[in-house]
Amino acid sequence: QVTLRESGPALVKPTQTLTLTCTFSGFSLSTSGMCVSWIRQPPGKPLEWLARIYWDDDKSYNTSLKTRLTISKDTSKNQVVLTMTNMDPVDTATYYCARTDGSAWNTDYWGQGTLVTVSS
Amino acid sequence: QTVVTQEPSLTVSPGGTVTLTCASSTGAVTSGYYPNWFQQKRGQAPRALIYNTSHKHSWTPARFSGSLLGGKAALTLSRVQPEDEADYYCLLYFGALQVFGGGTKLTVL
Repeated sequence: QVTLRESGPALVKPTQTLTLTCTFSGFSLSTSGMCVSWIRQPPGKPLEWLARIYWDDDKSYNTSLKTRLTISKDTSKNQVVLTMTNMDPVDTATYYCARTDGSAWNTDYWGQGTLVTVSS
Repeated sequence: QTVVTQEPSLTVSPGGTVTLTCASSTGAVTSGYYPNWFQQKRGQAPRALIYNTSHKHSWTPARFSGSLLGGKAALTLSRVQPEDEADYYCLLYFGALQVFGGGTKLTVL
C-alpha cells in the first residue's frame, strides 16, 4: 500500500526559508524509474508543479522557481525534502508530494497536502 | 514558458457525456507528452484517473476514458454521475519538466 505524507510548518514569515518533508511508504525511491514530485496549490487556484527527484538522484525544477528551490532525498528514511527560500505571501498554498513511476510517466499516489501560510 | 490550457468550466446533465480537453502552447499534444488526468473534489487532494494518455488506474471508474483528440489530450466522462462534479486537471510531461493545466470545473446539473 503506497502512502505519502507531507509535514512542515503551517506558518512561515516573509523572507524565511520553508522546509517540507514528504515521508512515504509502500515503494522505494531506489527503484529504477521512481520519482517523487512536489506540487502546490494556492487557495482557489490551480495546481503548480514545483520539483521532481529521480531514483538516481537527478533533479528537475520549475523554471520560474528554480533559483528558490532545492529537492533532496534520504532513501534510507523514505523521505524527500523540499526547501524554498525567500518565502512571500503569494507562496501561501497547500503543498503536496506525489509519486511518479517514470517508466510510464504515471503520477498515481498523492499525499493529503499541507497548508503553508506566509504571513508576518 | 509552456502553458497548458483547459476549458475553465463545463456543465453536463446527469447521465450525459462530456469531453474535457488539454492543449499545449507548444503545439499538438501527442502520446509523447504522457498526458495524465486528475480529479479533485473540494477540500481533497487530487486523485489520479488516467496516465499515459489512456491508461486507467485500478480505481478509475469505467465511465472515464482518455484519448487524443484534434491535437489535444481529452478526458471523456460517459453516463455522468452527480459525484463526478469536481475540478479536473491534466498534466503534460515536457522532458524533465511537467506542467499542469489550469483545470476544468465540471458542474453536473
